[in-house]
Amino acid sequence: SQTIHQWPATLVQPVGSPLSLECTVEGTSNPNLYWYRQAAGRGLQLLFYSVGIGQISSEVPQNLSASRPQDRQFILSSKKLLLSDSGFYLCAYGQTPNSPLHFGNGTRLTVT
Amino acid sequence: QKEVEQNSGPLSVPEGAIASLNCTYSDRGSQSFFWYRQYSGKSPELIMFIYSNGDKEDGRFTAQLNKASQYVSLLIRDSQPSDSATYLCAVNANTGNQFYFGTGTSLTVIP
Repeated sequence: SQTIHQWPATLVQPVGSPLSLECTVEGTSNPNLYWYRQAAGRGLQLLFYSVGIGQISSEVPQNLSASRPQDRQFILSSKKLLLSDSGFYLCAYGQTPNSPLHFGNGTRLTVT
Repeated sequence: QKEVEQNSGPLSVPEGAIASLNCTYSDRGSQSFFWYRQYSGKSPELIMFIYSNGDKEDGRFTAQLNKASQYVSLLIRDSQPSDSATYLCAVNANTGNQFYFGTGTSLTVIP
């Protein structure tokens, strides 16, 4: 069976500090991978998605970036965090383009 | 322009009643439609998906899709207090790789 791991669960970072969130998927190969952000009381905003190693599509211009160095690893990064980067970050995978997404447990990021 | 629209609620129903959740989408070429449940502080979990016009039933849940009206709904029969959560509608874009979510409808089932 497939599982998705995301860490850390919570993170408190000062403004201007770097960020690295990691997500890995087990039990499947060549999944589509996604990063979403959910601000408090808001819906899910698609940030990045990837259909393969090194292939990253960005949905929203911002100070975040994503990388996929291995087939089942997806990383979200920032060089300098802003207050507005606070939120609940969710990694998800899909096995085929139209199949449902399955989410990791999320990382709650607070930028102070 | 929002891709997926949902009534944010809150929606309150008594225990045992039917809860009806609605969603509209803007991309007429969308192929796949999903309902997720999200408890406070947790990640979304898949409830149902539907690809074809009509109804799809799974236990107490029924998803309804009308592509001509660009409308998808979720019915929850015999609502239970444990169904109290935010329900997210998601639509897969015509390109196949992008999934867009509505802002969610908050449901409270009153014992």
